[in-house]
Amino acid sequence: DAKTTQPTSMDCAEGRAANLPCNHSTISGNEYVYWYRQIHSQGPQYIIHGLKNNETNEMASLIITEDRKSSTLILPHATLRDTAVYYCILSNAGGTSYGKLTFGQGTILTVHP
Amino acid sequence: KAGVTQTPRYLIKTRGQQVTLSCSPISGHRSVSWYQQTPGQGLQFLFEYFSETQRNKGNFPGRFSGRQFSNSRSEMNVSTLELGDSALYLCASRRDWGSTEAFFGQGTRLTVV
Repeated sequence: DAKTTQPTSMDCAEGRAANLPCNHSTISGNEYVYWYRQIHSQGPQYIIHGLKNNETNEMASLIITEDRKSSTLILPHATLRDTAVYYCILSNAGGTSYGKLTFGQGTILTVHP
Repeated sequence: KAGVTQTPRYLIKTRGQQVTLSCSPISGHRSVSWYQQTPGQGLQFLFEYFSETQRNKGNFPGRFSGRQFSNSRSEMNVSTLELGDSALYLCASRRDWGSTEAFFGQGTRLTVV
């Protein structure tokens, strides 16, 4: 069973910020929040991950609420190449299932010109 | 550096046959995972290998098997193919067991007729 809830689809104008929400109300203390995306006909691509602090890298920012029950992935300046399915995944560090990624249905982000 | 390489990219097999798919991880990566992606079920974890040992297994029948060689290359085998095995099979590599980021290959598109 998926432990995260994401909107089925979202639209964004090119050049604007894309904010993708994820609910994970049953997250446990040792579970990280991971984001991957899958562009059509390609394998998933790692974007970012975090435990409880906000994180930023060259691709995106991850904002995790203080109670850790939800998070938001932010693509600051979306381009047409960011059109993809975005997956929010929980994974526990050091656990026996550490390498296993449980993908839900994800959010289809469409970036419009 | 070269990414994850999966061969072949496309494959057509007949029901009842068996098939072997290959995955070469990124140089230096020792963990390899396999996933099946279908329109109906999405991305599902098959198994993960690290240091030639299966460390994790998903909920798939015994017809699905895999192995990892001493050079970290991995193969997965599906015996007695069924129409429902038609899918995109994705391989992901991680540097070590505790590494957080998984790198996916382009996948092998298997069609069973």
